[in-house]
Order: sequence, then structure tokens, then C-alpha cells
Amino acid sequence: DAKTTQPTSMDCAEGRAANLPCNHSTISGNEYVYWYRQIHSQGPQYIIHGLKNNETNEMASLIITEDRKSSTLILPHATLRDTAVYYCIVRVVRWNRDDKIIFGKGTRLHILP
Amino acid sequence: DAGVIQSPRHEVTEMGQEVTLRCKPISGHNSLFWYRQTMMRGLELLIYFNNNVPIDDSGMPEDRFSAKMPNASFSTLKIQPSEPRDSAVYFCASAFGRGQGKGEQFFGPGTRLTVL
Repeated sequence: DAKTTQPTSMDCAEGRAANLPCNHSTISGNEYVYWYRQIHSQGPQYIIHGLKNNETNEMASLIITEDRKSSTLILPHATLRDTAVYYCIVRVVRWNRDDKIIFGKGTRLHILP
Repeated sequence: DAGVIQSPRHEVTEMGQEVTLRCKPISGHNSLFWYRQTMMRGLELLIYFNNNVPIDDSGMPEDRFSAKMPNASFSTLKIQPSEPRDSAVYFCASAFGRGQGKGEQFFGPGTRLTVL
């Protein structure tokens, strides 16, 4: 799996959009970008994923650059409950089974009241 | 669905004792993963199974660790003998392949292991 680079930590004011960047310059054509987060003392939680198009779901939006070398996770209206470590992961996803996730250090996001 | 179930949630044991961690994946999932998390090493994969067969155990630290998946609804991770450096939070996760889902893994609440 390709490596990713994320800032160690970020702050965001409550109610504002949180934009978390991720660099994955060595991504291969068949690798997806996945985002997970881990709230303190809980297991990681899936947020969103994409291949090359921008994606949006009820939790967040994912913007992938045209060259796919970087992406941004956007939490549109951050709340205190969004305080967590956010992991950007690049991986191949098989059709018939899932494969391991290699977690990096992630970005520790602090939502400030 | 209750999600991935792990037991026990907390385990405190003494060095040299055998420890068994248990996991019940989400019904219908065909892949199961064991991860370990420590402050020093972060989240690291230990082993994963597909259709109850181990696919990759390269993350298992040493022979003291073993994992089994006797059927689709149950897996165990055993440490024998345990050592203080095994103290960590152990997570179990399960998933479909992408053909049946989004390729997301569902994590359990973890077992916090302390070896004295």
C-alpha cells in the first residue's frame, strides 16, 4: 500500500468546516483513498472513501485532486464530538474479500468550543 | 446488528499467564482482522482471515501469539506466555469484500490488556 503524509495535529473552531489534508504522491491507479477516525478509547470508524471522483456522505466530503496525489477530508460543520485522530489510508480493495489496513499516525483534530 | 463483539473488555494478568481474547464478527462478513494499538507503535495489524483461513500473519510478534477462527462467527487471539510488553488495546474488525460493501472495516470496542 502507498504511504500517506498527514499533519500531526490541527485545530478547528466548533461550527466551522474542518479541512484535513493528505498527501499520497505514490498512489497507484487501482488504489482507493479511505478515511477513518478514532475517537478516544474507541475502535476506528470508517468515514468515506473514493477512487478519483469527489465523494460526499452524511459524515463528510472527500475531495481528490485530479492527479490523485493528494486529497482533503472536509467535515462541513465540526462539533466537539468530531475531536478524534483522523487516518488517511491508501489501499487496494478486492472484490471478494477485504484486505488489511496499514494505519499511519494520522492527524489529531481538536475542535475548539 | 450488534456490531463486532469483543470480550473481555478489560484484562489484567500477571506475566507468564495465558491470555485469550475473543471476537464475534458481524454476521455475513467474510474477513476478520486482529489489530493491536500502543502509544509507541500505533495501530498495527497482527493477522487477518478470509473465509476462516489465515491470509497474512506476518504481523504476529512471535510464537507466543496465536490466532484461530474455527468458524465464521468466532475468533480467538491467544498469548502464551504473556509479557508486560504485550500490554495494549487489541481490536478485532470484520468486513465484506467490495462486491458486497464499501470495503470498510467495522471495528469492535477493543480489549485493553494489562500484563503486570
